[in-house]
Amino acid sequence: DGGITQSPKYLFRKEGQNVTLSCEQNLNHDAMYWYRQDPGQGLRLIYYSQIVNDFQKGDIAEGYSVSREKKESFPLTVTSAQKNPTAFYLCASTSQSSYNEQFFGPGTRLTVL
Amino acid sequence: AQKITQTQPGMFVQEKEAVTLDCTYDTSDPSYGLFWYKQPSSGEMIFLIYQGSYDQQNATEGRYSLNFQKARKSANLVISASQLGDSAMYFCAMRVNTGNQFYFGTGTSLTVIP
Repeated sequence: DGGITQSPKYLFRKEGQNVTLSCEQNLNHDAMYWYRQDPGQGLRLIYYSQIVNDFQKGDIAEGYSVSREKKESFPLTVTSAQKNPTAFYLCASTSQSSYNEQFFGPGTRLTVL
Repeated sequence: AQKITQTQPGMFVQEKEAVTLDCTYDTSDPSYGLFWYKQPSSGEMIFLIYQGSYDQQNATEGRYSLNFQKARKSANLVISASQLGDSAMYFCAMRVNTGNQFYFGTGTSLTVIP
């Protein structure tokens, strides 16, 4: 089945540690996105990538980093510079030929202790 | 700048009744797409319906329909015959064709009452 996988579903880290969230898609989509969602709020864009080896900052990129070495993978690193990293993180992808739907992964809930 | 506004933080509806969730948008781009997503408590985002800015007719998908009023810049979601499983957060989103970003509203929490 085609789709987007994110792992792990729940992640706990100590304050000051970097952590990398995984996002893999087998939909052959060109564009991939990372969003952050805080309780009771909407989605805010962290980073997005339209093609391999290229990515752009979203509205809240500070304290985060990404890479896009392969079309199917778009990992997000939450660095120690991120002041309040505890949140729900969603990865998404779209096809360049059709932006009529953005597919989402199941999300990773990160808790920093 | 692009903006999506959802003014209803929470809504209640009786089972089997219809409910309308409001969404207004702002963009100067003439070509754009509007989306609605459902987010149950599990956290996954489920795509419901899409409306293109040049579509002449309102989009429908089963019990979901999108009431698109271009002049008023509104894209309300209508859910007919509400079911208990419809209880969730609902997000309105927009993409303009000049860019690849999606813009999301703050969401509406819908509770279906038996």
